[in-house]
Amino acid sequence: GENVEQHPSTLSVQEGDSAVIKCTYSDSASNYFPWYKQELGKGPQLIIDIRSNVGEKKDQRIAVTLNKTAKHFSLHITETQPEDSAVYFCAASKGSGGYQKVTFGIGTKLQVIP
Amino acid sequence: KAGVTQTPRYLIKTRGQQVTLSCSPISGHRSVSWYQQTPGQGLQFLFEYFSETQRNKGNFPGRFSGRQFSNSRSEMNVSTLELGDSALYLCASSVRDRITDTQYFGPGTRLTVL
Repeated sequence: GENVEQHPSTLSVQEGDSAVIKCTYSDSASNYFPWYKQELGKGPQLIIDIRSNVGEKKDQRIAVTLNKTAKHFSLHITETQPEDSAVYFCAASKGSGGYQKVTFGIGTKLQVIP
Repeated sequence: KAGVTQTPRYLIKTRGQQVTLSCSPISGHRSVSWYQQTPGQGLQFLFEYFSETQRNKGNFPGRFSGRQFSNSRSEMNVSTLELGDSALYLCASSVRDRITDTQYFGPGTRLTVL
């Protein structure tokens, strides 16, 4: 089955700096890659996603890049703010037998230091 | 639209008991997935229901079961609780678009087994 590895497990950055989280996946059939942000006491919330026919997508301070050949994708957060502090999950999804199978990475705890 | 709701938010049970968790998806969403989240294992997929049918199942013992009703609301049941079942149980709903399948998570039910 699919395996998604996520690095680093923890990340501390100064406010205003950039943060990068990287994920690799094993199944070349995966075609959808969402990123989720989970704040304390809440469920994961989708922040950005990318499909396999796109190499990069940006939404304000957040961007995601996908390298299908290398089977890795990354989340980039620029000009970090204290409210960006949370756990971030990457995921890889593919259609299988008429439904989607989603595999999540282990998560990255991001701390933005004011 | 209202988001995914889960009840109860917190539960404390003792070993050997059983528990039922409830999830109401976003209006119009027909797919409901359940995940177990623990600090060491991250998000582990339990099962997915679509139109009252279980479409996909993760690697969990038969003590974990679920069902979906005609209004898409779903319940998850865990019988003969073990200490290791202590976790945050998350429900996610999606429209069931076969191209992409963005999942929207609820806040979770925190289960503690004593």
